[in-house]
Amino acid sequence: NAGVTQTPKFQVLKTGQSMTLQCAQDMNHEYMSWYRQDPGMGLRLIHYSVGAGITDQGEVPNGYNVSRSTTEDFPLRLLSAAPSQTSVYFCASSYVRGFGNSPLHFGNGTRLTVT
Amino acid sequence: TQLLEQSPQFLSIQEGENLTVYCNSSSVFSSLQWYRQEPGEGPVLLVTVVTGGEVKKLKRLTFQFGDARKDSSLHITAAQPGDTGLYLCAGGGADGLTFGKGTHLIIQP
Repeated sequence: NAGVTQTPKFQVLKTGQSMTLQCAQDMNHEYMSWYRQDPGMGLRLIHYSVGAGITDQGEVPNGYNVSRSTTEDFPLRLLSAAPSQTSVYFCASSYVRGFGNSPLHFGNGTRLTVT
Repeated sequence: TQLLEQSPQFLSIQEGENLTVYCNSSSVFSSLQWYRQEPGEGPVLLVTVVTGGEVKKLKRLTFQFGDARKDSSLHITAAQPGDTGLYLCAGGGADGLTFGKGTHLIIQP
């Protein structure tokens, strides 16, 4: 059972380039989300989805786009990379929106550096 | 916006010592989850507490949810080097999970 799979594991971009971070889960979870983790800032929610065709903004959505065409996949797009987007990105999923007894299952992260 | 404050931010102790990590908020949460994260990996759930005053034990780890469901603590007895990691608390509510900034724990042999 793969759980939550993120690719790539590492990426270096130049300012202004675009890219897509991939996330796939095989647990049939309705809820999927993207977080960024920065030193001293903790985990901050970028975007989330409660099901196929439904997405919404989190705490820090600017500069990122998402779509949810299938239950399994939830890609995160950086439209025009900036050095401030240098971070570790985590995709996470759960059965419901993450309260009560529904734990988040995290991928192993993508470490992105923007020069 | 619901905020969770974790303390201490950093803790380095010797193997065999006891320690407590705190997670505090002025907001009420429907549940409180604790995660542990190792370098290069994503956070992994340790426990969820949902009832005010609830205490859960996981081997040498004891988790408590405050009576008012605004705070929680994690107590580790006889810490071991394998307990080293980043410990995160997360409060559940209508807007989903809110994470604290974490406690970096180092257990020295």
